[in-house]
Amino acid sequence: EAGVTQFPSHSVIEKGQTVTLRCDPISGHDNLYWYRRVMGKEIKFLLHFVKESKQDESGMPNNRFLAERTGGTYSTLKVQPAELEDSGVYFCASSQASTGARMNTEAFFGQGTRLTVV
Amino acid sequence: GDSVTQMEGPVTLSEEAFLTINCTYTATGYPSLFWYVQYPGEGLQLLLKATKADDKGSNKGFEATYRKETTSFHLEKGSVQVSDSAVYFCALLNNQGGKLIFGQGTELSVKP
Repeated sequence: EAGVTQFPSHSVIEKGQTVTLRCDPISGHDNLYWYRRVMGKEIKFLLHFVKESKQDESGMPNNRFLAERTGGTYSTLKVQPAELEDSGVYFCASSQASTGARMNTEAFFGQGTRLTVV
Repeated sequence: GDSVTQMEGPVTLSEEAFLTINCTYTATGYPSLFWYVQYPGEGLQLLLKATKADDKGSNKGFEATYRKETTSFHLEKGSVQVSDSAVYFCALLNNQGGKLIFGQGTELSVKP
């Protein structure tokens, strides 16, 4: 079974340009998450999809970031225009639908996209 | 809000040395606790987890015990190998949502 796949693995862009990151979750996983790690710091939550709906986007830094999840399958994260502080590693994770009140199903992570804005 | 604090790295050890990476947390409710590992060039992998107080998670020789009284989930291994060189992240999952709260990561380097 294929794991979570992210494209591209690396991206170097100039300040002011646009970049789109893609995440293909494990087939059948309703939950999809985006996280980001800025150099040497903690991995921070960006947003959470349940199928095609945004469940929680409280971690999105600003309106330069736009996430979509077409048909509840793959997801894209677009940064437009990119700024220097957007550099970091962007992780995607997916998990099965939660049962009951306790959401503790295991999240599977992709290898991440390393974004460098110069 | 909820938070995780783990010891800063990098940590450098000789092969077969004992490893401890400290992790403490602040959370409302009763979170589940996790250790994730990122090997060079790879994605995050779940190493072990514990879902309630006094539970011990274990995998690949690593162990961590959920201590509610000290709000800690320290990672230990009795004898590290060169192949354990990686970045280790402590994390919690609260029961108010599905997002993981991570610590800043601890880089471990094991020398032969």
